[in-house]
Amino acid sequence: NAGVMQNPRHLVRRRGQEARLRCSPMKGHSHVYWYRQLPEEGLKFMVYLQKENIIDESGMPKERFSAEFPKEGPSILRIQQVVRGDSAAYFCASSPSQGTQPQHFGDGTRLSIL
Amino acid sequence: LAKTTQPISMDSYEGQEVNITCSHNNIATNDYITWYQQFPSQGPRFIIQGYKTKVTNEVASLFIPADRKSSTLSLPRVSLSDTAVYYCLVGDMDSSASKIIFGSGTRLSIRP
Repeated sequence: NAGVMQNPRHLVRRRGQEARLRCSPMKGHSHVYWYRQLPEEGLKFMVYLQKENIIDESGMPKERFSAEFPKEGPSILRIQQVVRGDSAAYFCASSPSQGTQPQHFGDGTRLSIL
Repeated sequence: LAKTTQPISMDSYEGQEVNITCSHNNIATNDYITWYQQFPSQGPRFIIQGYKTKVTNEVASLFIPADRKSSTLSLPRVSLSDTAVYYCLVGDMDSSASKIIFGSGTRLSIRP
């Protein structure tokens, strides 16, 4: 899927645990975007990161959610103290420069909260 | 922000041409129109992008009238494998992703 790798593909957590979702962008891409998708709905933007910088986090819940894209390694979306409402598919996309369309998407991580 | 409106669902048959129209009345001068396709359990895949008139690639055509307030994705001779959700997006090529809005898309079902 255009080289964006997400893992794990499926993640099950109990309420109160932490979830860590990883995204390795396409080779040569330094811009990463995270989206959340609920069943039967479109993707909702969460956060946009460049290497070591958060550019736009206007779609990210203020509490429990954080994201990073370190100089080395994948981008991480972290959800602390998960609740049932966090159950969703989380997609990562990458692009070679700011705001460029099209974005290249991974196949997502499906998070299930028990 | 340019919001888009698409039909919720469409049905067609193998071998037919399918046209999905998207309304974007508030499109801005710098906005491009981009279409994505999404299969179940997969991420969206880019199909086609355009600014005005007509754009064609190996999988689809995109028709954009002069006022740019709508666009039509045309899929020639569809097959069962074209069953998917199709999203129309409108946004500035240089804008942050937060200004790109995925609507609920059009669920296209192709029958034998």
